[in-house]
Amino acid sequence: DIQMTQSPSSLSASVGDRVTITCRASQSISSYLNWYQQKPGKAPKLLIYAVSSLQSGVPSRFSGSGSGTDFTLTISSLHPEDFATYYCQQTYSAFITFGQGTRLEIK
Amino acid sequence: QVQLQQSGPGLVKPSQTLSLTCAISGDSVSSNSAAWNWIRQSPSRGLEWLGRTYYRSKWYNDYAVSVKSRIIINPDTSKNQFSLQLNSVTPEDTAVYYCARSLAPPRATFDYWGQGALVTVSS
Repeated sequence: DIQMTQSPSSLSASVGDRVTITCRASQSISSYLNWYQQKPGKAPKLLIYAVSSLQSGVPSRFSGSGSGTDFTLTISSLHPEDFATYYCQQTYSAFITFGQGTRLEIK
Repeated sequence: QVQLQQSGPGLVKPSQTLSLTCAISGDSVSSNSAAWNWIRQSPSRGLEWLGRTYYRSKWYNDYAVSVKSRIIINPDTSKNQFSLQLNSVTPEDTAVYYCARSLAPPRATFDYWGQGALVTVSS
């Protein structure tokens, strides 16, 4: 399986901050990288697909970049509703895998 | 608007079979542009994709290596739903189970999810 490693595992930030979350794949996954947001008790929600394409309805403060093995999710200015856990996911392989998650907490 | 409604028991005894169903509205299990997935989430294993079924002139299944010997995902075209069977469960299979729609492989973006169901394996 392709291993997905996110960093940091947790992050404390304030409303208005710019934050970046990193995801590294154990091998090249081309552009088959998606990002999800999950809030407690809810299913994950698709934010970004194919590295940098914003899912319909997702605010433009979210952006993604990267290629090959290294990818980032950036939130340009944190809103209160952005405090959640974020996961990357690769679909390059038929055996889909997720990162372990990054918990974004209010400072 | 696609909606996925999960159903199934919340408690399963060790060594027995875990069975869940995901009813689809707003799309078809036989769609040529979608795949139908099961994912689980636990504190110890995080988000773990279990497998998928999809139709491209015939039915295909992909299963995670970790459960390949114990899992069956079946489509039911008459009821427009799909199901998960996980055999020989142990307490390590305790998790919240989700069904989800994804785009056709390989893009496979998970755009709609079920509500999730906690399944506990315990005697």
